[in-house]
Amino acid sequence: DAGITQSPRHKVTETGTPVTLRCHQTENHRYMYWYRQDPGHGLRLIHYSYGVKDTDKGEVSDGYSVSRSKTEDFLLTLESATSSQTSVYFCAISESVVAGETQYFGPGTRLLVL
Amino acid sequence: RKEVEQDPGPFNVPEGATVAFNCTYSNSASQSFFWYRQDCRKEPKLLMSVYSSGNEDGRFTAQLNRASQYISLLIRDSKLSDSATYLCVVNKNQAGTALIFGKGTTLSVSS
Repeated sequence: DAGITQSPRHKVTETGTPVTLRCHQTENHRYMYWYRQDPGHGLRLIHYSYGVKDTDKGEVSDGYSVSRSKTEDFLLTLESATSSQTSVYFCAISESVVAGETQYFGPGTRLLVL
Repeated sequence: RKEVEQDPGPFNVPEGATVAFNCTYSNSASQSFFWYRQDCRKEPKLLMSVYSSGNEDGRFTAQLNRASQYISLLIRDSKLSDSATYLCVVNKNQAGTALIFGKGTTLSVSS
């Protein structure tokens, strides 16, 4: 299994509070991603990073920000959590983005916003 | 057409059965195709990549039809441990950063 950890694994928070989720990898992969998974939807890309300090928006980036100060860590921040951000959040990594390159996923963080 | 579309199932089959899942995708420029498996409350894990020539890994066979923009996964001799949700995944563009995930097809294998 790819060396990807996520913290926290579970979190309950209140509407309006800031929340930061952490993804840590030991594979030294250049690319890191944040997805959310909700019932009735496939996994949807929130943000991704293609290097230290290099990030870009995905399909559902509104309300989220990211930072990557080290190769191994990719942080996802909900500046002011809303109930619509209740979801399961997965981090993923990939070595490159050439055709056929796969992404490997972390164990996920279950976030409940009350 | 939705970007990646799968029959959600569930597919309920007995052990030993052969089951096939289908997936269609809308972007004719897509170049990367995968099947992922996701167990309940777990992360998606790569099952196999899908190549134009078709490929097989043990009891699993994947096929790609670019002309019809159609991908399939065949599971032979189903095991109880095959029970999971199977995700069809296609890249959106030449940059692999944009993978589009289908909503998944649920398989339940019973004894």
